[in-house]
Amino acid sequence: GDSVTQTEGQVTVSESKSLIINCTYSTTSIAYPNLFWYVRYPGEGLQLLLKVITAGQKGSSRGFEATYNKETTSFHLQKASVQESDSAVYYCALGAHNNNNAPRFGAGTKLTVKP
Amino acid sequence: EAAVTQSPRNKVAVTGGKVTLSCNQTNNHNNMYWYRQDTGHGLRLIHYSYGAGSTEKGDIPDGYKASRPSQENFSLILELATPSQTSVYFCASGDPLGGEQYFGPGTRLTVL
Repeated sequence: GDSVTQTEGQVTVSESKSLIINCTYSTTSIAYPNLFWYVRYPGEGLQLLLKVITAGQKGSSRGFEATYNKETTSFHLQKASVQESDSAVYYCALGAHNNNNAPRFGAGTKLTVKP
Repeated sequence: EAAVTQSPRNKVAVTGGKVTLSCNQTNNHNNMYWYRQDTGHGLRLIHYSYGAGSTEKGDIPDGYKASRPSQENFSLILELATPSQTSVYFCASGDPLGGEQYFGPGTRLTVL
């Protein structure tokens, strides 16, 4: 089956430092799945941060970037300089591609940015 | 603007009681989903639906039923609530081709 792995449950970074949150995926049902990063800010529901549907392409939003790497089946989230307002839970996800499956989410990574 | 709403936002229930969580979407998406979120587990899929009248089991359907009476509405039903069902529940709608999902604000359920 399909699955998504996020190895870090919690990450703490000082403001203005760089960030990387790791995400790898596994799929047996489709060669090139759509990949997503969602973010959940405190007290809110999940919202889409960025999406990439083509292998080798990079997505970006709000200063975050993620590159779809088919060779390593990875989709790591990076930011050069984090802000306190980036503190949230980040979820990597593999999209559904037809009516015979459902999206798959990683366990989430809680980011805390220290001032 | 497209939206997914959930009600109630907070619920306290007693063990053995019946709980219904409601979800409404104005996105006109065929697919809708119910997840629960627990620390250390991320989002786990309970039930989903391809359209009005359909429900499918997700990864953790035991103890839950779902109902999709219309395109807009998708309910999650706990016939006999247990403390292990204490969690935050999220509803989402999605386009099956694009895969992007739109989430509601969540319902915090506490079963005593």
